[in-house]
Amino acid sequence: DGGITQSPKYLFRKEGQNVTLSCEQNLNHDAMYWYRQDPGQGLRLIYYSQIVNDFQKGDIAEGYSVSREKKESFPLTVTSAQKNPTAFYLCASTPRPGTSEQYFGPGTRLTVT
Amino acid sequence: SQQGEEDPQALSIQEGENATMNCSYKTSINNLQWYRQNSGRGLVHLILIRSNEREKHSGRLRVTLDTSKKSSSLLITASRAADTASYFCATDDTGGFKTIFGAGTRLFVKA
Repeated sequence: DGGITQSPKYLFRKEGQNVTLSCEQNLNHDAMYWYRQDPGQGLRLIYYSQIVNDFQKGDIAEGYSVSREKKESFPLTVTSAQKNPTAFYLCASTPRPGTSEQYFGPGTRLTVT
Repeated sequence: SQQGEEDPQALSIQEGENATMNCSYKTSINNLQWYRQNSGRGLVHLILIRSNEREKHSGRLRVTLDTSKKSSSLLITASRAADTASYFCATDDTGGFKTIFGAGTRLFVKA
């Protein structure tokens, strides 16, 4: 899983609560990404950041928010506005924006009941 | 939007056999990548093939790319039980800042 850590591995929340997923990397990578993966499916891009203090919406950004105050950290908040938040969340990074090979963290499985 | 579509969705083989997975995509690409994911884990990059390359090898992996057919294949030779995982192809979008993943092929290698 390279130098990317995600915590916690499993997270349980009640419906209506916001929850923040942690992603930290010590690879000195500029670009970071958040993906959502549902059972038996591929990855869908939520948000990405090419550089500190900058981020862009991906394909399914509604109900999510991010910040990139430090190069090594890219936390994802799943808000109560996200209608179906239960999923496996993966964080990834690349050395520079546009670099193809992505380095992934181990993922956080979020269950909302 | 999903760029890569893997085929088959699932594949079950005996240890020692070869496993072939295919990926088709829709638009022009700069390169195509293959990743592996063990159950409940993050993805691991396996190999990248550029649009001007036709074949690439890495250990027991062989990847081909046919840009005229917009397709790629991943061959794992002499499979092992430890190869059991999901395999995803991924392509860059036209801007180059996002990677688009297919739904994956789930490979099960029986010992």
